[in-house]
Amino acid sequence: AQSVTQLGSHVSVSEGALVLLRCNYSSSVPPYLFWYVQYPNQGLQLLLKYTSAATLVKGINGFEAEFKKSETSFHLTKPSAHMSDAAEYFCAVSGTSNTGKLIFGQGTTLQVKP
Amino acid sequence: ETGVTQSPTHLIKTRGQQVTLRCSSQSGHNTVSWYQQALGQGPQFIFQYYREEENGRGNFPPRFSGLQFPNYSSELNVNALELDDSALYLCASSWEAGAGTDTQYFGPGTRLTVL
Repeated sequence: AQSVTQLGSHVSVSEGALVLLRCNYSSSVPPYLFWYVQYPNQGLQLLLKYTSAATLVKGINGFEAEFKKSETSFHLTKPSAHMSDAAEYFCAVSGTSNTGKLIFGQGTTLQVKP
Repeated sequence: ETGVTQSPTHLIKTRGQQVTLRCSSQSGHNTVSWYQQALGQGPQFIFQYYREEENGRGNFPPRFSGLQFPNYSSELNVNALELDDSALYLCASSWEAGAGTDTQYFGPGTRLTVL
């Protein structure tokens, strides 16, 4: 079975500081990994995805994530936080079912302080 | 290109009632997946429809059912509503079912409140 664990339900950073959101996965097969962002009262928007090509994946809005098989991790980073980055972030895994269904973590709320 | 749309935006029902939620997939997509997102939780997979057939189901009871139409739009029906059904229901469309690498594009969701 596949699963995702997001460490830290709330992360607070100052504007301009490094953003690091942690995601660890469990999968019996090579996983496909995704980061989605959810702004208040909205659906999910894809930030980036890992599909077994380059291990460092660049996404939208300056975010990137690195796939580390040895650590079973796919942490999301951004060098400099912006106020508009405040949102809920979800890590998800897919790959073992015939549906490509996404299995999500519990989410991390990012707060950006001025 | 039109994105994924859902209706209604909000809905209030009472226990025991039935509800139908609707989703229009993104142009060119033939696969629709439905997710339930309880407050403070990550979305959970309900089921998927591919070319008008159910193509996989999560751990939800049979009172959750769905349809997909020839234009690939979809409905989610929930019978005998329970308080725990209160959640944000998200619809996502994609190009082809089963491609784990395929991006799922999400709609804005329908907020269901069961009283």
